[in-house]
Amino acid sequence: DQQVKQNSPSLSVQEGRISILNCDYTNSMFDYFLWYKKYPAEGPTFLISISSIKDKNEDGRFTVFLNKSAKHLSLHIVPSQPGDSAVYFCAALATSGTYKYIFGTGTRLKVLA
Amino acid sequence: EAGVVQSPRYKIIEKKQPVAFWCNPISGHNTLYWYRQNLGQGPELLIRYENEEAVDDSQLPKDRFSAERLKGVDSTLKIQPAELGDSAVYLCASSRSGSHNEQFFGPGTRLTVL
Repeated sequence: DQQVKQNSPSLSVQEGRISILNCDYTNSMFDYFLWYKKYPAEGPTFLISISSIKDKNEDGRFTVFLNKSAKHLSLHIVPSQPGDSAVYFCAALATSGTYKYIFGTGTRLKVLA
Repeated sequence: EAGVVQSPRYKIIEKKQPVAFWCNPISGHNTLYWYRQNLGQGPELLIRYENEEAVDDSQLPKDRFSAERLKGVDSTLKIQPAELGDSAVYLCASSRSGSHNEQFFGPGTRLTVL
């Protein structure tokens, strides 16, 4: 079963506007959530994370929001830049009980100049 | 700081042949991970090491896959024999022990099994 889902395979946004990438999860045992960015022929690069006890974490142009009741998180990029064009993966981590580190299927973001 | 190094970057083999991938993690990172990423999917964890101990290998297909990290630094992942369905990108990542957050990924090895 897909415990971490990114239902939008792709997203196009105009430069300077906001990009919103979404992620849903099913397992309430996850206690950390992370976003990675991946360029072609490179490994994923960590962007930002959030603990399950928080609902928002901000780092420069990147903000992650967590809605635990809806089992939903989102990554906001403001303002979007052409260099942000990449595939974005959300990941969920469970550290108590059975260790789990599960990635979503990714969303390809294209920022148009 | 040097990143995670993986080799080879690309490998093409015929089915039933063996293949091995090598990973050198970031210095000081005690935790090492091997992932497999199929086309259009996210990385899937195969095995996780804390130093030289494999602490989670539940997703490793043990009939044909093996891994080792003998001195708690470099690691190798082996497939023998390879099958067509093993074609994927194999990613190595490392992190500091106890880190609940970021993993540092290498560029991956793209395996094609013909």
